[in-house]
Amino acid sequence: EVQLVESGGGLVKPGGSLRLSCAASGFTFSSYSMNWVRQAPGKGLEWVSSFSSSSSYIYYEDSVKGRFTTSRDNAKNSLYLQMNSLRVEDTAVYYCVRDWDYWGQGTLVTVSS
Amino acid sequence: QSVLTQPPSASGTPGQRVTISCSGSSSNVGSNYVYWYQQVPGTAPKLLIYRNNERPSGVPDRFSGSKSGTSASLAISGLRSEDEADYYCATWDDSLSGPVFGGGTKLTVL
Repeated sequence: EVQLVESGGGLVKPGGSLRLSCAASGFTFSSYSMNWVRQAPGKGLEWVSSFSSSSSYIYYEDSVKGRFTTSRDNAKNSLYLQMNSLRVEDTAVYYCVRDWDYWGQGTLVTVSS
Repeated sequence: QSVLTQPPSASGTPGQRVTISCSGSSSNVGSNYVYWYQQVPGTAPKLLIYRNNERPSGVPDRFSGSKSGTSASLAISGLRSEDEADYYCATWDDSLSGPVFGGGTKLTVL
């Protein structure tokens, strides 16, 4: 059974940093591209970042470029999102998504003073 | 303002057929596969349709997808109370070099 479990969310002040993790199981992690998608409270879905299976490409949404860094550790079956210089508008539930089929349960990031 | 345009709301009575539209452009819907997701409030999105009209195993055949030109549609037949949820379309945008989502459609089963 495919499982994606996000962790690392929490309350952080504007300008602060947070590192999200996504632990994957039930499939060959290294064979799949992985994505981060976020959803602000009461809003729709917004793509954040994509990381190819071969590590040959990493894409970022414009508003997070230069502030967020996605990485993966295939040996640990894990995906990460390092978020720096956080803004109030980054407040959202962050989902880890395999390719574009399976979604984790999400982790809430709240940026507030 | 989402790149893909969906109606904010839709409704139907049990047993009815409902369609939800997703309008884009030649750089996204017109040239790439469309995906549809169902999100029950408080839960993670679930894949309903991939590659325009394919259903993952476990998704009832009451759900179907189609695409024509720069528009796509999700149809739900035999509407049931448990279909009440938010529905999102998604695809790749060649101009933006990234995935894009519709703004979502809230489906109410009356």
